[in-house]
Amino acid sequence: DAKTTQPPSMDCAEGRAANLPCNHSTISGNEYVYWYRQIHSQGPQYIIHGLKNNETNEMASLIITEDRKSSTLILPHATLRDTAVYYCIVRVGQKSSGDKLTFGTGTRLAVRP
Amino acid sequence: DGGITQSPKYLFRKEGQNVTLSCEQNLNHDAMYWYRQDPGQGLRLIYYSQIVNDFQKGDIAEGYSVSREKKESFPLTVTSAQKNPTAFYLCASSLNGPTDGYTFGSGTRLTVV
Repeated sequence: DAKTTQPPSMDCAEGRAANLPCNHSTISGNEYVYWYRQIHSQGPQYIIHGLKNNETNEMASLIITEDRKSSTLILPHATLRDTAVYYCIVRVGQKSSGDKLTFGTGTRLAVRP
Repeated sequence: DGGITQSPKYLFRKEGQNVTLSCEQNLNHDAMYWYRQDPGQGLRLIYYSQIVNDFQKGDIAEGYSVSREKKESFPLTVTSAQKNPTAFYLCASSLNGPTDGYTFGSGTRLTVV
């Protein structure tokens, strides 16, 4: 699986948009970009994923660059409950290759009151 | 409600003892996974299983063993051969499709004294 690079920490003000970047310059054509987050001492929670197109759901938006070498997770109106570690993961969507997620160290997002 | 259950939440064991961590899911997911997390670190894959009666080693399988006799269950045994067993252990499950997210349990914190 392609490696990802994320800043170790970020902060933003409550109510503002949080934009979390991720570099995945070695991503292959069949690899998806996934985002998870982990609130302290809990299991990670799925947020969103995408292949080429931008995606949006009730939690966040995912913007993938045209060359797919980087992406940005956007939390449009951050709340204190969004304080967590955010993981960007690239994943090969093929059973034959042993489909598994490889986690890096993520970005620790602190939302300020 | 469907979900994935890990028990117990906290576990204490004496050094040299084997201990088994439970993971049960009622989501009808094909694949199950065990991860280990150390303080301030990302998740590292221990073992995974894509179908019943089959499992593969992850990145840090030494000192651990698993079984997958039922689709719903994927217990992890931490053996006395594991040199640093104190950690936070997370179990996850997923369908085996390329775009299926992982559902994580709430974790078991194992402390070996």
